[in-house]
Amino acid sequence: QKEVEQNSGPLSVPEGAIASLNCTYSDRGSQSFFWYRQYSGKSPELIMSIYSNGDKEDGRFTAQLNKASQYVSLLIRDSQPSDSATYLCAVTSPGFQKLVFGTGTRLLVSP
Amino acid sequence: GAVVSQHPSRVICKSGTSVKIECRSLDFQATTMFWYRQFPKQSLMLMATSNEGSKATYEQGVEKDKFLINHASLTLSTLTVTSAHPEDSSFYICSASYSDSNQPQHFGDGTRLSIL
Repeated sequence: QKEVEQNSGPLSVPEGAIASLNCTYSDRGSQSFFWYRQYSGKSPELIMSIYSNGDKEDGRFTAQLNKASQYVSLLIRDSQPSDSATYLCAVTSPGFQKLVFGTGTRLLVSP
Repeated sequence: GAVVSQHPSRVICKSGTSVKIECRSLDFQATTMFWYRQFPKQSLMLMATSNEGSKATYEQGVEKDKFLINHASLTLSTLTVTSAHPEDSSFYICSASYSDSNQPQHFGDGTRLSIL
């Protein structure tokens, strides 16, 4: 079982719709959770971080964490073609700075 | 804040050449820096964790004599690919974080290495 799992996609949504990206993790002791966006040929860019159960909103982005279900998601409201990228879910465990990445979900937003 | 600069952005060189890549944290002190490699259409693969003033910790399967890492200060880590060969061609990315493990890693822009 992979430590961090994501559906590779592509996830296709029309412009203006809500894109929902999901991630599950296997280490119940995981403490910190991050979403990164990576455009083709570029390095990852931090979108959101979340540390406690519930929702965290930042502009059009909402991260949701459910530690009991070992599940973290990212919602993108009013999706734009410029949101088309690969979204990487990453997790750390207590005392460890090493990020464990999922393989990423490719999002395609069509005009 | 939390800007990480990586240089050079692209290198093309002949087989057998050694290539040095620099990673700098511009506006914060990074006790830990990380080096990743990414092949086309694949996810990031952690190569090593670099701690200021101590030896780097390499991931399984990564040759420490081939990928030399130096973290001489709290703002600079370097990766040297020694005697590079075509199979070393890849996208190399560094990241840096504060000492707190809860803090996110911030990535440099990456270095695209092409060995002819």
